Amino acid sequence: ETGVTQTPRHLVMGMTNKKSLKCEQHLGHNAMYWYKQSAKKPLELMFVYSLEERVENNSVPSRFSPECPNSSHLFLHLHTLQPEDSALYLCASSLSRVAGPGGTQYFGPGTRLTVL
Amino acid sequence: DQQVKQNSPSLSVQEGRISILNCDYTNSMFDYFLWYKKYPAEGPTFLISISSIKDKNEDGRFTVFLNKSAKHLSLHIVPSQPGDSAVYFCAASASGGSNYKLTFGKGTLLTVNP
Repeated sequence: ETGVTQTPRHLVMGMTNKKSLKCEQHLGHNAMYWYKQSAKKPLELMFVYSLEERVENNSVPSRFSPECPNSSHLFLHLHTLQPEDSALYLCASSLSRVAGPGGTQYFGPGTRLTVL
Repeated sequence: DQQVKQNSPSLSVQEGRISILNCDYTNSMFDYFLWYKKYPAEGPTFLISISSIKDKNEDGRFTVFLNKSAKHLSLHIVPSQPGDSAVYFCAASASGGSNYKLTFGKGTLLTVNP
């Protein structure tokens, strides 16, 4: 595997379910990100981890819970979601969290989430 | 308030011609700019970037131009190919503070017709 991978690619869940999204990067990067992309909206940054430490929680509801056990893996735990949470969830990684070439973010293919 | 704007939701170009995608920004602190390309059912793919110390960066068929005074950047694709059909996102970041944050535009759908 190369680059950034995400599983599952598609997920349908009810509002009372608990599920997790997984992201893995094979680039040797130190920073990882979760984004949400809703229809006709720009990408919204949700969480940022740098060297496994959360450095940003962008006013995300507590029903979204991130976990970064090591610099290669990132999870997004979901519970009691709402239908408006249906979106494409993208994971990204960068070598470091700086502006410039070192901070260029590389994205995974995303998980298409539908909440019924 | 949207700090990065792509005012054209879509653009249609004939194969072999030039595609010009535009992006405007309002935050004068932005000093690093990126273009991403996104195919359906895939994540955005990094395409090309430019630092504010430059006004042009070229990579093969792709050239990005930066006009700092106008707070405007553009991506030129020459010659355009059908495989270039995708959504193109402009993104910007600022050194200092939360400098890892990328602010994205809403994207422009480019269609290259054979």
